[in-house]
Amino acid sequence: IVLTQSPATLSLSPGQGATLSCRASQRISIYLAWYQQKPGQAPRLLIYDASKRATGIPARFSGSGSGTDFTLTISSLEPEDCAVYYCQQRSEWPLTFGGGTKVEIK
Amino acid sequence: EVQLLESGGGLVQPGGSLSLSCAASGFTFGIYAMTWVRRAPGKGLEWVSTIRENGVNTYYADSVKGRFTISRDNSAKTLYLQVDSLRAEDTAIYYCARSRDTWYFDLWGRGTLVTVSS
Repeated sequence: IVLTQSPATLSLSPGQGATLSCRASQRISIYLAWYQQKPGQAPRLLIYDASKRATGIPARFSGSGSGTDFTLTISSLEPEDCAVYYCQQRSEWPLTFGGGTKVEIK
Repeated sequence: EVQLLESGGGLVQPGGSLSLSCAASGFTFGIYAMTWVRRAPGKGLEWVSTIRENGVNTYYADSVKGRFTISRDNSAKTLYLQVDSLRAEDTAIYYCARSRDTWYFDLWGRGTLVTVSS
């Protein structure tokens, strides 16, 4: 299953909202996660099963979607949200990740 | 502290081998499936291999099947990846990650860099 993320890069100011997209090449129900990776750090699980926030994740991060189209929304960007965001599906093996969206803070 | 720490990366010539390790601490290692994921320069994350809690069931990406071997030692709380017949396209940061009951990864290490070059 191929996951296509868009846009490749998002450049926004603090306080603005961000909308990241992940599209699957076939239906995957809700079996999608989102990860955040900052430079030099390990990836961090943000959202699983499309819309469930992982432990300790701030409420400004939310996920939605099912089937083939998914969205990660960051309601009000903080400077520390500067990172690359990846989606991942677990509907079928092999597990696959999207190519990532880089979020830059102006 | 709950963490995963990878080691064993380095510079190796094409066709060479390396042994990667991932040491777990702060949690019950044996109840988690463990996975290796890599990120090549300028590219996204790529799933490489997974081993179930019991160490018996293993899964590999087609790109590494027959060349990489995943294993674990639950008593030592350590995950391994033997990487053989390395190619330039295997150059990447290799991360270990854990999952339980689902195939989402709730804990990752910081990675170890493997560079394949002559």
